[in-house]
Amino acid sequence: DSGVTQTPKHLITATGQRVTLRCSPRSGDLSVYWYQQSLDQGLQFLIHYYNGEERAKGNILERFSAQQFPDLHSELNLSSLELGDSALYFCASSVRTGWNTGELFFGEGSRLTVL
Amino acid sequence: AQTVTQSQPEMSVQEAETVTLSCTYDTSENNYYLFWYKQPPSRQMILVIRQEAYKQQNATENRFSVNFQKAAKSFSLKISDSQLGDTAMYFCAFMKHKDGGTSYGKLTFGQGTILTVHP
Repeated sequence: DSGVTQTPKHLITATGQRVTLRCSPRSGDLSVYWYQQSLDQGLQFLIHYYNGEERAKGNILERFSAQQFPDLHSELNLSSLELGDSALYFCASSVRTGWNTGELFFGEGSRLTVL
Repeated sequence: AQTVTQSQPEMSVQEAETVTLSCTYDTSENNYYLFWYKQPPSRQMILVIRQEAYKQQNATENRFSVNFQKAAKSFSLKISDSQLGDTAMYFCAFMKHKDGGTSYGKLTFGQGTILTVHP
């Protein structure tokens, strides 16, 4: 158990809909990262938040947005969903002072299926 | 931009034998981390081993060891005494060292290698 909690584990929805994925980082971790794993694109970095502030963006679509709340949990919002958005979405967190390890702790992922 | 290449889509090995998974990467950075992550059927991404580029000594974690060749930009994973529980997808990944924070924590993954351990 990595200590990172993601909900829901599975989600099935229709094209054009909007969903929210939630992530609770490990206790004490200030950084949250979102990754997407799909058959076409593999594992891709989406976005990084540190203590409520956006720090880096990767290949995140404009239809997607994220935020990190004062209690450090994060939400990834996916809107106007398309078939190609079907993927496994991972959240990861890292220790606030252990930067020299570079280690990220991953949740179990949220499997999104768009029909 | 960094790229990570895993040229072996699938590998198989007999239980108790040794297997090596290959990974090459391309970067202009001098300071970085390299990782091997394991993703079993449960989907969880599990860190197997980590290497800091400035360290010449190859990292070792129990049955797992790496052969890090910085000049060749190669980072292979050797699994000794393979066990059935090692069956999983293995990902090689690259991360820039702390550089002011803009890309910190951004992992660039390879395509993955499916490893099957046979009894």
